[in-house]
Amino acid sequence: GNSVTQMEGPVTLSEEAFLTINCTYTATGYPSLFWYVQYPGEGLQLLLKATKADDKGSNKGFEATYRKETTSFHLEKGSVQVSDSAVYFCALITGGGNKLTFGTGTQLKVEL
Amino acid sequence: NAGVTQTPKFRILKIGQSMTLQCAQDMNHNYMYWYRQDPGMGLKLIYYSVGAGITDKGEVPNGYNVSRSTTEDFPLRLELAAPSQTSVYFCASRPVGGGAGETQYFGPGTRLLVL
Repeated sequence: GNSVTQMEGPVTLSEEAFLTINCTYTATGYPSLFWYVQYPGEGLQLLLKATKADDKGSNKGFEATYRKETTSFHLEKGSVQVSDSAVYFCALITGGGNKLTFGTGTQLKVEL
Repeated sequence: NAGVTQTPKFRILKIGQSMTLQCAQDMNHNYMYWYRQDPGMGLKLIYYSVGAGITDKGEVPNGYNVSRSTTEDFPLRLELAAPSQTSVYFCASRPVGGGAGETQYFGPGTRLLVL
């Protein structure tokens, strides 16, 4: 079956630090990969996605590259802000499926 | 567009009570989903629907029921609430075009506490 493994949090960074949140996956077929973000008290919002190998998703300064050879989709941002404090979920979906498989989430806290 | 809306925001139930969590979307999306999020965990799919009149089970359907009589609404019914159903429930929807890579849009969630 499908699975997503994320680095455990919480991750605490100073403002303007570099961020990496690791995500690896196991999937049958060729999955589409997503990063969702959940701000405190809110639902999940799509942050970025990639639907085929070597695609790079990007949004709001965040980037992730679909690496089929390492089955990874690591999230990066060059300079985090306090407003980036949230929980980040890596997820995948395969083929015509209707089931998003989520990782357990990584809490990010950015301090001044 | 209001997007995906959920009611109530928070509810406390006693063991054995029942309730319906409401979900509505105004984006004319065919696909709708119910997830639960337990503390420190990712979301798990409870039920989903690919259109009015069509529903199917997800990973964790036991103790829940759904119906889809209209495109807009996808209520989730809890019968005989149990403490194990304490969780945050999210509804989501997506359009039919674009296949599996299409974005799902999430509601703000319903926090349920069963005591």
